[in-house]
Amino acid sequence: DVKVTQSSRYLVKRTGEKVFLECVQDMDHENMFWYRQDPGLGLRLIYFSYDVKMKEKGDIPEGYSVSREKKERFSLILESASTNQTSMYLCASSSRLAGAGEQFFGPGTRLTVL
Amino acid sequence: DAKTTQPNSMESNEEEPVHLPCNHSTISGTDYIHWYRQLPSQGPEYVIHGLTSNVNNRMASLAIAEDRKSSTLILHRATLRDAAVYYCILFTSGTYKYIFGTGTRLKVLA
Repeated sequence: DVKVTQSSRYLVKRTGEKVFLECVQDMDHENMFWYRQDPGLGLRLIYFSYDVKMKEKGDIPEGYSVSREKKERFSLILESASTNQTSMYLCASSSRLAGAGEQFFGPGTRLTVL
Repeated sequence: DAKTTQPNSMESNEEEPVHLPCNHSTISGTDYIHWYRQLPSQGPEYVIHGLTSNVNNRMASLAIAEDRKSSTLILHRATLRDAAVYYCILFTSGTYKYIFGTGTRLKVLA
């Protein structure tokens, strides 16, 4: 059974803290993605990576960075958390060979920044 | 980027078919039509995708208009477990990006 796992389901941090969200997939997928989901705005792409050490900005990269040191792991970093980064964060992966691009999602991390 | 338009919400009775519409008038020839659904407190789950022809799988059917400017996800017999937000998304082959809209919240009545 294919799997994308995220390090935490719920996380509470304080303004100004550095926050790491971890995502691991076991499907040997080349592509990995980080989204945030907010009420009324749907899912918005923050960053994606199509290979180890490669990354591309999505639609809302400001305030975030990412790291992909190993194929199976993609980390989202909030350098200095702010209250407007309170959100649900979703990680996904897909195979480069899948021309239609089906993505597999993790369960999400609900981050609250106080 | 091509966009999709869906109704905000729909209701269906249990055991009845559900037709979820999606408009994508700016679709290009290389765009696949994908459908995902998101159950409460979970990440989105792949349902079905197609390019030009209608598609069937164990979860649903996808009917694509001849001009490809609209499509319909068909759940043949809705169950309470089908209550979710359904997203219609266009994906351009060779890119890496999905653009999610706000989806249709489906409510299934017992």
